[in-house]
Amino acid sequence: AQSVSQHNHHVILSEAASLELGCNYSYGGTVNLFWYVQYPGQHLQLLLKYFSGDPLVKGIKGFEAEFIKSKFSFNLRKPSVQWSDTAEYFCAVNDGPGGNKLVFGAGTILRVKS
Amino acid sequence: NAGVTQTPKFRVLKTGQSMTLLCAQDMNHEYMYWYRQDPGMGLRLIHYSVGEGTTAKGEVPDGYNVSRLKKQNFLLGLESAAPSQTSVYFCASSSHRVGDYEQYFGPGTRLTVT
Repeated sequence: AQSVSQHNHHVILSEAASLELGCNYSYGGTVNLFWYVQYPGQHLQLLLKYFSGDPLVKGIKGFEAEFIKSKFSFNLRKPSVQWSDTAEYFCAVNDGPGGNKLVFGAGTILRVKS
Repeated sequence: NAGVTQTPKFRVLKTGQSMTLLCAQDMNHEYMYWYRQDPGMGLRLIHYSVGEGTTAKGEVPDGYNVSRLKKQNFLLGLESAAPSQTSVYFCASSSHRVGDYEQYFGPGTRLTVT
C-alpha cells in the first residue's frame, strides 16, 4: 500500500526566507500528487496538484512543487514566505493506479516569524 | 455553492454515548470520505463511499459506521464513543472522473469524548 513521508514536522522561518518542505511516497508508477494547506482553525484547502505533464507545478499564493519520479518525491517550495503562510501543510498521493483514495503524510507545521 | 458542509461543528460526548455526524455536498460528487485528524498523524481514512448505497472501510474503521442513503449525504456514526475517538473529523468529496482525484473538504467537527 502507498505511504507518504514528510520529513519535517515543525519548521520555523523568518519572513522572506525561502521554504522547501520534503515529501516522499513509496509506490512507483502512475501517481497523482497533492499539497493541501490547513490554516489555523480552518479546513484543508488545495495548494497545488500534479496529474501529468510538466513536473514543475505552480499553485496558489506563490507555491510550487516539483515531481521527481526517480526520487519518488514531490517537494513544496516558496521563494519568500510571509507571516500569513503560517499553517500546516499536508502532502497526499492517490492510493495506487486509478485509485480515488488519497494517502496523506503526517503534516508539517510551518510557523513564520514576523 | 456551499461545497462540503458538516454538522455539528463541536460536540462533547461521555464514554458510551452515541452520535451521528452529517456531511453534505452540493457538487454532485460520486465519492465521499470520512477522515480523522490527530496531531502528528495526518489524516487517516475511516470509511468511504463510491456512490449512493455503497460504503467501504478505510484505514481505521473500527468503532465507526457509515451510511450513504442519498448521493449528497454521508453519515458517520459512533455507536459507543470511547476517549480514543477524541479527534477532529473531516468529510471530503471528489469526482468519479478518471484521473481527477482532487478531494474537497468540509470545515471539520471537533469531537471530545470524556
